[in-house]
Amino acid sequence: DIVMTQSPDSLAVSLGERATINCKSSLSVLYSSNNKNPLAWYQQKPGQPPKLLISWASTRESGVPDRFSGSGSGTDFTLAISSLQAEDVAVYYCQQYYSNPRTFGQGTKVEIK
Amino acid sequence: QVQLVQSGAEVKKPGASVKISCKASGYTFTNYLIIWVRQAPGQGLEWMGLINVNDGNTNYAQKVQGRVTMTTDTSTSTAYMELGSLTSDDTAVYYCVREPPASANDYWGQGTLVTVSS
Repeated sequence: DIVMTQSPDSLAVSLGERATINCKSSLSVLYSSNNKNPLAWYQQKPGQPPKLLISWASTRESGVPDRFSGSGSGTDFTLAISSLQAEDVAVYYCQQYYSNPRTFGQGTKVEIK
Repeated sequence: QVQLVQSGAEVKKPGASVKISCKASGYTFTNYLIIWVRQAPGQGLEWMGLINVNDGNTNYAQKVQGRVTMTTDTSTSTAYMELGSLTSDDTAVYYCVREPPASANDYWGQGTLVTVSS
């Protein structure tokens, strides 16, 4: 199984400041057919199901604010929130969909400082 | 609009089975995979497995292999997940999720809480 490891486990950021979450996979996740990384980021708020923010490591889903961005390739990926808003308080998960089982990172809790 | 509506909360005794339904609407049911993910209280997300709605092929996580069965009824656009030999470790919110072919999980059901308690 591919192990996904996120860091940090939690972080507190001031409103308007940048938040960065890292995700490292134990194996490279890259589709040679399209040269894309099958890596997704989800946001989960309390009492709600996760919401897909970013697919293919860097493709923002429709309706997701542009302050969210994804980057990285191979084994190292990053989710950045450029200017943290109060509504961004949540737990964020990365997930690889390169192979079964499609494993998730352990989650990173983002709070307001 | 795409919707996945799951059945209601369940309370089961250890050793019992539970079967959760997930009714899909707003898209062509057979063109997508259905994934099942669970989340124990206060914990992260755990991928349980998938079913290819088009051909019925399944792939289960090793942790639940032998106890889980995922099926679909294309006539009603409903997916089912049955988990047997329940223990307290199976207490969790269970989500059904839509997955486009070779892509990320884009729509999630509202979740079904399964509580296993004697």
